[in-house]
Order: sequence, then C-alpha cells, then structure tokens
Amino acid sequence: EVQLVGSGGGLVQPGRSLRLSCAASGFTFDDYAMHWVRQAPGKGLEWVSGIAWNSGRIEYADSVKGRFTISRDNAKNSLYLQMDSLRPEDTALYFCTKDAHVDLSHSEDWGQGILVIVSS
Amino acid sequence: IQLTQSPSFLSASVGDRVTITCRASQGFSSFLAWYQQKAGKAPRVLIYAVSTLQRGVPSRFSGSGSGTEFTLTIDSLQPEDFATYYCQQLNSFPFTFGGGTKVEMK
Repeated sequence: EVQLVGSGGGLVQPGRSLRLSCAASGFTFDDYAMHWVRQAPGKGLEWVSGIAWNSGRIEYADSVKGRFTISRDNAKNSLYLQMDSLRPEDTALYFCTKDAHVDLSHSEDWGQGILVIVSS
Repeated sequence: IQLTQSPSFLSASVGDRVTITCRASQGFSSFLAWYQQKAGKAPRVLIYAVSTLQRGVPSRFSGSGSGTEFTLTIDSLQPEDFATYYCQQLNSFPFTFGGGTKVEMK
C-alpha cells in the first residue's frame, strides 16, 4: 500500500521559512516522479512543483518560483519542499503526491496533507 | 494554460447522468486528468490521458475530448459520487487545475 506521510507544517510569520517533508513507503520511490499540490482554505487545487525520479527535471508554478525549492532523497525515500519568503497567500494544505511515471505527469496517489499557516 | 470548468456547482439526483466540461485556453491532445475530492479528504485520480479509467474506478465514469474542450461524464450518479471534481492539464508547465465543479444532491 502506498503511504505518503507529511511533516513540517505549522504557523509561521510572513517572510520566514519552512521545510516540508514527505516520507514515502509501499512502492519503489526512485521509480516515480513526485509533486507538491496545495489547497488554500475553501479553495481549489493548485499544482506547486514537480520533480522527476532522478531530479533531472524540476518545475514550479509561477506563484512560487524563486521562493520554493523542491528536492528528493531517493536513499531516504523522501520528498522535500523548502519554502522561503513565505506570504499569507501561501497558507494552504500541502499535498505530497506520487506520479504515475518516472517523469512528470498526473498524480496517482496523494498524502493526507500538511497544513501551513502564514500569519503574523 | 488556463482551465475553466463549467458548471461550478451542479445539483443532481441519484441516477442522473452528469456532464462536467473543462475548457482550455490553448488546445492540446491527450494530457488531461480528472480528480474527485470528497470533503476533508485528499483527491483521487479518476481518469488520465483524457479517457483512460484509473484502476478501481467504476465504469460509470468516462472522459472524452480534445483541443480546447474536455468532458467528464458520470452515468447514473451514485450517492458516493457527490463530491468536487477537478480537471488538470499536463501538456505544458506549469501544470494547472480547473477551478472545480461541486456536485451536490438535489
């Protein structure tokens, strides 16, 4: 069974940083691309970033480019999202998702989400 | 690529046939997925590559379309289908989602 367990969320002040982690199990982690998708309270889904199986392709949404950095450690079966210069509009539930393929495509499995609140 | 879903809200009854439309600001062929999200839960993929049903998804769900217009159809709506549905384009970066369609019980 695929499991994606997130951690690292919480309340943070505007302008500060936060690092999200996603521990993966139940599948061969380095056989799949991974993504972060977020959902602001009461709003729709927003794709944030994706990373191919070997980190050879990394892409970002325009809203986070230059502020967020996605990375993965295949030896630790883990996905990360370093979030810098946080803004109130970054407040959301952040989902770690497993792609269906080695390169970036649709999200086949989803974690339960990590809540990030950016507020003073 | 911007995706516009219609309608945003839909009231329907069990047994109804439901169609949700996803219109794209630029045309593309096959890189479109549909997701279902129930309240308080993570989304799950229903359909990918426009019309391919994800394993385990009931056959009453189907997808079609090309170019700038895509549709998700639910034949004979079931009680467990009341949820919010999103389309996502995977043709070009950044990937984008439609605004969602909430299917409510009439």
